Amino acid sequence: GENVEQHPSTLSVQEGDSAVIKCTYSDSASNYFPWYKQELGKRPQLIIDIRSNVGEKKDQRIAVTLNKTAKHFSLHITETQPEDSAVYFCAAAYQAGTALIFGKGTTLSVSS
Amino acid sequence: DVKVTQSSRYLVKRTGEKVFLECVQDMDHENMFWYRQDPGLGLRLIYFSYDVKMKEKGDIPEGYSVSREKKERFSLILESASTNQTSMYLCASREPGLVTDTQYFGPGTRLTVL
Repeated sequence: GENVEQHPSTLSVQEGDSAVIKCTYSDSASNYFPWYKQELGKRPQLIIDIRSNVGEKKDQRIAVTLNKTAKHFSLHITETQPEDSAVYFCAAAYQAGTALIFGKGTTLSVSS
Repeated sequence: DVKVTQSSRYLVKRTGEKVFLECVQDMDHENMFWYRQDPGLGLRLIYFSYDVKMKEKGDIPEGYSVSREKKERFSLILESASTNQTSMYLCASREPGLVTDTQYFGPGTRLTVL
């Protein structure tokens, strides 16, 4: 089955810096890669996703890149703010409707 | 606005008890999932269901079973609770689409087994 590795497990940045979180997946058939943000005490929520027919997707300060050949994808957050502090999870699924397999999460801390 | 609700936010049970965790979604989603979340281990898939009365094992199904008799409700059952099942349990539902596959999570049930 699918296996998703996520790095780093913790990341500390200064406000205004950029943050990058990387994930690799094992199943080359996977074609859907979402990112979820979980604030302390709250449920995970989707922040951005990408499908395998696209190499990059942006939404304001957040971007995701996908390298299908290398089987890795990354989350980029620019101009970080304290409210970006949370746990971020990457995930992969090999077709629409199949279960998402999650990475172990990255705790991002943004200090002002 | 999609709503996924779980029957309890906090639950304390004793070893050996049978435990039922209930999840209800109001968006007529076909797919529903149960994950457990532990520090450092992320979200691990226990069971999922594609439709009523259908179920599939996830990565860690041992010690759990599920039931889906109605489309909106997906139950997780701990047949005989053990201390290593102390965890946060998250239910989710999802409707696959061509553009996005947003998975919505419930608020979670923090289960403590004594």
